[in-house]
This record gives sequence, structure tokens and C-alpha cells, in this order.
Amino acid sequence: GAVVSQHPSRVICKSGTSVKIECRSLDFQATTMFWYRQFPKKSLMLMATSNEGSKATYEQGVEKDKFLINHASLTLSTLTVTSAHPEDSSFYICSARVISNGYTFGSGTRLTVV
Amino acid sequence: EDKVVQSPLSLVVHEGDTVTLNCSYEVTNFRSLLWYKQEKKAPTFLFMLTSSGIEKKSGRLSSILDKKELFSILNITATQTGDSAIYLCAGDTNAGKSTFGDGTTLTVKP
Repeated sequence: GAVVSQHPSRVICKSGTSVKIECRSLDFQATTMFWYRQFPKKSLMLMATSNEGSKATYEQGVEKDKFLINHASLTLSTLTVTSAHPEDSSFYICSARVISNGYTFGSGTRLTVV
Repeated sequence: EDKVVQSPLSLVVHEGDTVTLNCSYEVTNFRSLLWYKQEKKAPTFLFMLTSSGIEKKSGRLSSILDKKELFSILNITATQTGDSAIYLCAGDTNAGKSTFGDGTTLTVKP
């Protein structure tokens, strides 16, 4: 079945540094990738939609300059958390649509900013 | 603003019980209703419902959509401890954007 590989699975970084999270579609082409954030015991909150070869579409309240999204190819989308702060600590997860089978999710990245 | 509401928020049952999880939605340009199971990490896909009244089944799990009432249920029969998880439903739009509910945390005790 369709698989999205996400890494790193866990990252701890210092305040002020940037962190890049990658999502790769392994056996299919993902023209669109969705990036979510999940707080503890809360549901998934859509941050942005990345489209291959064009600018990402951000949801209201999500800072574009802070959460940089790049979708350079049909199999790779990246999310960079720039100048990370402790309040950016969260679980970040990507997903891509698989026709007739809903969406397939990456395994998620647990970001801790210290 | 699109909204998906799940109930109950949490549920504790014993093995062998049957449970029904509820999901109501208000989604503009609605395309489909999706159910996921989330254990430790990423959600795993369970069902995609597009048409009203057609039950989808997978083993002990089944789900149905009512597009008139904007409602869906997920049934699990003969529950097992391995069914313990957060169950998420999401309303999907024609643009491919999903709005998730807060989930139902199901705990199945031996």
C-alpha cells in the first residue's frame, strides 16, 4: 500500500535553532501533502497544504515565515520550523491522499524545543 | 468554519462489549467522511464514507454515513484490548482538506 516516510521521528533542539522535517511518498506520487500539528490529547490541526511546484497554502493563524514548507518534487515535502521556541514543541505529522483509500499519514515527528 | 464533533470523548468498556462512536459534521464542500484509529503515533485509515446509508465493514468494525443528518457512526463489536486507541473522524472536502474531530478515546479492559 501507499506509504509516507517521515523523519526524524523525534528531535530535540535548542531554542532559536531551525529544524527540518521530511516526508517522502515511497511508492506513489504525492502532488499534495498536508501538514498537521497535534497537541497532547487533542486532535490534528491542519497547518498547511503543500503543492508540488507551487507555494503552500497556510491555514489561518499559522505563521508562514515560521513554518516554511517546500514541496520540491512529487515525492518529497519538507517542513522547517525556523527559530524554534519551546511553544513550538509538538507532534508534527504529514499526510497525502491515496485515491479510494483516504489519506496515508507519515509516522510523525515529536519536536521538543529546550 | 468547518466543524467536526465526536462523542463521547472517552469510553471505557470490557472485552466483548459492543461500542458505538459518534461523529457529526458541518463541512462546506463536503466530499467524504473518514475514520481513523490512532494508537501511539500516526493515525491509520479505517473507512472512507461518501454515500449515505451504505455500511462499510472490516472485521468487527463497521461504519455508516447519514448525509441528511450530517452524522456518522463507527461500531465495534466484541471489543478486544487491542481496540484501545483514539478514534478520529474527519470531514474531507472537494479540495482535499480534512477537518478532524477531537477523537474518542476508547479503553477496553480485559
